[in-house]
Amino acid sequence: DQQVKQNSPSLSVQEGRISILNCDYTNSMFDYFLWYKKYPAEGPTFLISISSIKDKNEDGRFTVFLNKSAKHLSLHIVPSQPGDSAVYFCAASVRSGGYQKVTFGTGTKLQVIP
Amino acid sequence: NAGVTQTPKFQVLKTGQSMTLQCAQDMNHEYMSWYRQDPGMGLRLIHYSVGAGITDQGEVPNGYNVSRSTTEDFPLRLLSAAPSQTSVYFCASSYWGQGSEKLFFGSGTQLSVL
Repeated sequence: DQQVKQNSPSLSVQEGRISILNCDYTNSMFDYFLWYKKYPAEGPTFLISISSIKDKNEDGRFTVFLNKSAKHLSLHIVPSQPGDSAVYFCAASVRSGGYQKVTFGTGTKLQVIP
Repeated sequence: NAGVTQTPKFQVLKTGQSMTLQCAQDMNHEYMSWYRQDPGMGLRLIHYSVGAGITDQGEVPNGYNVSRSTTEDFPLRLLSAAPSQTSVYFCASSYWGQGSEKLFFGSGTQLSVL
């Protein structure tokens, strides 16, 4: 049972344009949603997160939007740069004891074309 | 800043061999975990630990053992390797409590079982 789904395995965008990566989830108990970025031969790195009580969080060129009624979140990258080319994992977490149990999606490979 | 260090980076095993993947972190994080990444499957949790002496199973624990004797180290043991364990393995750590949804990953171990 895939609780976090990324239905687009890949995405190509021209440099300077907007990249929109999408993610759907099924568990209404998730209280944080996150995006991780992964370059080849490296571990994932935390990019941006949003609490379930908010609908938008912005950090520079990156904005995450949360639509709880639709159980959907998206990551917007504006403007896209070649260095943004990577695999992006959507993740969601729920409190379990004193830590957050994190569930990952399958990833979307973003290619930004110069 | 070393962060999360994994060794080795690459390993080839024959079916039935055993080995230990090493993970160490220098951030004094209470929470540590092991994930495997497979094509089309995202990152799946194998085992995790919320402190020295405390471990628990994740989503895909079969064929793997862990122990946590110190805060810094969290080794993953394959007792009898199988081709189905061919994967990329990531160790991750995080704070306990607030902010624990933000995982810090190592650079990964690429394991092939022949």
